[in-house]
Amino acid sequence: GIQVEQSPPDLILQEGANSTLRCNFSDSVNNLQWFHQNPWGQLINLFYIPSGTKQNGRLSATTVATERYSLLYISSSQTTDSGVYFCAVDVTGNQFYFGTGTSLTVIP
Amino acid sequence: DTEVTQTPKHLVMGMTNKKSLKCEQHMGHRAMYWYKQKAKKPPELMFVYSYEKLSINESVPSRFSPECPNSSLLNLHLHALQPEDSALYLCASSQDPNEQFFGPGTRLTVL
Repeated sequence: GIQVEQSPPDLILQEGANSTLRCNFSDSVNNLQWFHQNPWGQLINLFYIPSGTKQNGRLSATTVATERYSLLYISSSQTTDSGVYFCAVDVTGNQFYFGTGTSLTVIP
Repeated sequence: DTEVTQTPKHLVMGMTNKKSLKCEQHMGHRAMYWYKQKAKKPPELMFVYSYEKLSINESVPSRFSPECPNSSLLNLHLHALQPEDSALYLCASSQDPNEQFFGPGTRLTVL
């Protein structure tokens, strides 16, 4: 099956710092999403981005489907950005595979 | 409205119990999903209902049984579970094939 690897696995940032999270996948995908999982377990949609670049406030994402990776940029990080960030890819339609996750801690 | 609701929020059950998890969405989505997430691991897909057709992750044991009474509702019936089945169970829906939206999850503990 498809392999979805995220890096780094853990990240600690000072409030106000910027960061880049990476998602590599081993096969062509139909869809790609980025999620933020809060400490209560809720998965919050950040981006639906099978290709191209999108921005939403302090967050932006880029997917280069031909090179099989996606990047999530977080600028001016805040303590509320803490949590686990997942990418999820869909290969065949309705078969989503989650990446290994990046655990982010933002300290004041 | 992009809300997916799940009940109950927490569930504790014994290994001989039968219980059900419920999931509901009113976004008109035609695909619904069950995922299982263990602590510090990513969610793993268990079942997909797409246009009322079921797809199963073959590694899921038969003590988990999904049911889709209609396109807005998805149940997960639990029977004779083991302690290792304790996890966060997440439901999601999407307009096939498209962006998924997740419910808040049910935290299940099997004693």
